[in-house]
Amino acid sequence: DTGVSQNPRHKITKRGQNVTFRCDPISEHNRLYWYRQTLGQGPEFLTYFQNEAQLEKSRLLSDRFSAERPKGSFSTLEIQRTEQGDSAMYLCASSSLRGGGTYEQYFGPGTRLTVT
Amino acid sequence: AQSVTQLDSQVPVFEEAPVELRCNYSSSVSVYLFWYVQYPNQGLQLLLKYLSGSTLVKGINGFEAEFNKSQTSFHLRKPSVHISDTAEYFCAVSEVPNAGKSTFGDGTTLTVKP
Repeated sequence: DTGVSQNPRHKITKRGQNVTFRCDPISEHNRLYWYRQTLGQGPEFLTYFQNEAQLEKSRLLSDRFSAERPKGSFSTLEIQRTEQGDSAMYLCASSSLRGGGTYEQYFGPGTRLTVT
Repeated sequence: AQSVTQLDSQVPVFEEAPVELRCNYSSSVSVYLFWYVQYPNQGLQLLLKYLSGSTLVKGINGFEAEFNKSQTSFHLRKPSVHISDTAEYFCAVSEVPNAGKSTFGDGTTLTVKP
């Protein structure tokens, strides 16, 4: 069990550019979540997948954000035409409900995005 | 919809003193409850969870929490804190039985002074 990994750990981009983040969940975890965290606040839900199906997407998520989990393993989060307000820590988490899973989410270290 | 309110944004305490971090929640359905800790420049780590059964749950590092359904609270306690407990603590809920997205509070910064 190597834990949840996220790449890159830091990303600096100019306003208007597109960025893509990757999350590798704990192997065999069937659920994968994306959250956004800004300074002084708790993580804010963006979207989550069960296997390859995207089950829920936050209404706060603009159409500039898209997430995929094509084979039910790793996931990518893309932000198009970045804005300064997108600057935040993007957190990925995974969980398993298989075989009596215990529901808690295991978090990765996050990707810190800075939009200049 | 659910919401979580952490009543104290900052809690300073001296080493070896007891501490309580307060969490209230609001939900129209039953929820699972969690406390996470976040150390500087690290991801969130689960401290403890309440799913069902006994309302007093014990977690890692000597922490415990009590679920109070009538008061919709899930306060976190530790009888004697250490310098190493200095961190950000988050209370979270997710909906029974789907346990999908979690809704988090804004966090409580615990600072343990020598």
